[in-house]
Amino acid sequence: KQEVTQIPAALSVPEGENLVLNCSFTDSAIYNLQWFRQDPGKGLTSLLLIQSSQREQTSGRLNASLDKSSGRSTLYIAASQPGDSATYLCAVGRRDSNYQLIWGAGTKLIIKP
Amino acid sequence: ETGVTQTPRHLVMGMTNKKSLKCEQHLGHNAMYWYKQSAKKPLELMFVYNFKEQTENNSVPSRFSPECPNSSHLFLHLHTLQPEDSALYLCASSPTSGHGNEQFFGPGTRLTVL
Repeated sequence: KQEVTQIPAALSVPEGENLVLNCSFTDSAIYNLQWFRQDPGKGLTSLLLIQSSQREQTSGRLNASLDKSSGRSTLYIAASQPGDSATYLCAVGRRDSNYQLIWGAGTKLIIKP
Repeated sequence: ETGVTQTPRHLVMGMTNKKSLKCEQHLGHNAMYWYKQSAKKPLELMFVYNFKEQTENNSVPSRFSPECPNSSHLFLHLHTLQPEDSALYLCASSPTSGHGNEQFFGPGTRLTVL
């Protein structure tokens, strides 16, 4: 059974710092992996999607990496800003015919001005 | 309206009440999903509809009853809920429910059961 873990559950850093959020999964047979952002009182916004054949994806100040063999993904945020404060969720797409997203519990990020 | 909308945004109900959550997507998608998000727990997939047909029911109690009259609308009918059902209920849609389709989420309905 696929399990997705995000550590730490919460993180607080000063503005301007580069930071890394972690996501680990137990079964390397994945279809893809996605990183989402959730703001308080709002739904989820997809940030980056990495296919199983890819090693990384980049969008602006965000870079997501994928290492299937070790069951790990990281989300790198460069030059953090207060507007980056949110909860970041990772979700793994199952490879079998019953495609579903398996979710981590998220990391709540606070960027201090 | 654009994207995925959900109403109401907040709902407080007693255990004997009957209420419904509504989701509407304006993206031309054919798959819609209901998720439950409890505090500090991963999202739980509840139901999946693909082309109006229910394709997933993840062992959800019968006090939750989904309805999908067309590809743009999804309802979640609630009755005789328990306090532990209090959570954020999120709706999502995607082009289809097949592999790799990106899901787009609504803002959620915050449900409190007294």
